[in-house]
Amino acid sequence: SQQGEEDPQALSIQEGENATMNCSYKTSINNLQWYRQNSGRGLVHLILIRSNEREKHSGRLRVTLDTSKKSSSLLITASRAADTASYFCATDKGGSEKLVFGKGTKLTVNP
Amino acid sequence: NAGVTQTPKFQVLKTGQSMTLQCAQDMNHEYMSWYRQDPGMGLRLIHYSVGAGITDQGEVPNGYNVSRSTTEDFPLRLLSAAPSQTSVYFCASSYNMVGEQYFGPGTRLTVT
Repeated sequence: SQQGEEDPQALSIQEGENATMNCSYKTSINNLQWYRQNSGRGLVHLILIRSNEREKHSGRLRVTLDTSKKSSSLLITASRAADTASYFCATDKGGSEKLVFGKGTKLTVNP
Repeated sequence: NAGVTQTPKFQVLKTGQSMTLQCAQDMNHEYMSWYRQDPGMGLRLIHYSVGAGITDQGEVPNGYNVSRSTTEDFPLRLLSAAPSQTSVYFCASSYNMVGEQYFGPGTRLTVT
C-alpha cells in the first residue's frame, strides 16, 4: 500500500502566486523528502527533512513536517513558469531500507 | 561527473523478447535502485542493491533480473517482455538507501 500520498493531484496557479502541496503518510518515518520531475526527465531531489525537524527552507522552498498528523507540506513562494513540474514526496518506513514515493502533484504555473 | 546515466533512452520490444537496460553511476555510491513509473502509480521499486554482489527485491520484481558485479553498474534485465512492462524505467543511486537519491534520465520502454 502507498506510504505517501500527495494532495492535490493537480494544481494550476498564476506566476507570482504561492503553491502549496501536501503529503500524508501512514507509518512512522525517519525522514521525508521532496523531489521535482520536469516532463520527460528524471526526478531531482529538492529537500530532506528529518523526523525531529519541523521546518526547513531552501531558497523559495519551505517544507514543514508534522509527525503527529503524519503529514508534510511543500510551499513554493513566488512561483515561476519554470516551476511547472510534478512534485513527489518520498518516505522511508521508520528503519526500512526502502524509499517509497507518492503519486505526485502536477503543478502548472501559468505565465 | 556524468552522474547517473541510462541507456537506451527509448526502446520498443515485441512480446517475448528480452533486453537489458543499462545504468551506470560515477559517484561511488553503494546503493542503486531501479524504479518503474506508470501513469497514476508514482514510482515503484523493482530491485535494489546495497553494494557490489548484493541485490534484493523491491515492490514489483516479477519479470526482472538484476546483478551488481561492480559499484558503478546496475543493469536491469527483462527476461521475456510483456505489454504490462510498458513503462518508464528510472535508475537511481545514493550514499544511503533512504537518503537523497540521484536519478538517471530514464528509459521509455514500449512492449507490443
